[in-house]
Amino acid sequence: GAVVSQHPSWVICKSGTSVKIECRSLDFQATTMFWYRQFPKQSLMLMATSNEGSKATYEQGVEKDKFLINHASLTLSTLTVTSAHPEDSSFYICSARGPVYEQYFGPGTRLTVT
Amino acid sequence: QKEVEQNSGPLSVPEGAIASLNCTYSDRGSQSFFWYRQYSGKSPELIMFIYSNGDKEDGRFTAQLNKASQYVSLLIRDSQPSDSATYLCAVKLGSQGNLIFGKGTKLSVKP
Repeated sequence: GAVVSQHPSWVICKSGTSVKIECRSLDFQATTMFWYRQFPKQSLMLMATSNEGSKATYEQGVEKDKFLINHASLTLSTLTVTSAHPEDSSFYICSARGPVYEQYFGPGTRLTVT
Repeated sequence: QKEVEQNSGPLSVPEGAIASLNCTYSDRGSQSFFWYRQYSGKSPELIMFIYSNGDKEDGRFTAQLNKASQYVSLLIRDSQPSDSATYLCAVKLGSQGNLIFGKGTKLSVKP
């Protein structure tokens, strides 16, 4: 299957700072990427859909000014958590859409805000 | 509201048995169906997908689709403790729709 990478795999930051997470499709071009958040023992929660060259579409309840998404190329999407707070601590996972609408997930980024 | 329903489990089966994971969906317009496996603390990985009614086999995995009943299942033959994970069903709506994920079924394979 296709490979999607994420960087960093884990990050610890202080409350009030911003953190950028990168998601790359390594062996295919992805016009559409997705960002999910998952709290311990809970299901995936879709945060936003990101299309190359256009603004991301955010799910209801997700603050677009807090979670900035940029999809500037067919292989890279970034999620920036601005002014992070402890309640933003979570497992953030990106995925890239494949040719038959399947999604390939990155390995995830574990964010801890202290 | 388009929904994908899965029994949360846990489903416990002995090693070597067949594990049967079920998923129902609400939208008759759904076209493609996907199964993912997610180990604890890891991200989901795609196991297989199915479009047509009937069975599709890949190694120890068999996906079964019944569009009339709006039902898709995943069978795991000769279950191994390493199969213990949460299995997510995902459904694509229409020709341009995103995947809608179920909440997953936790499978535990006992040695």
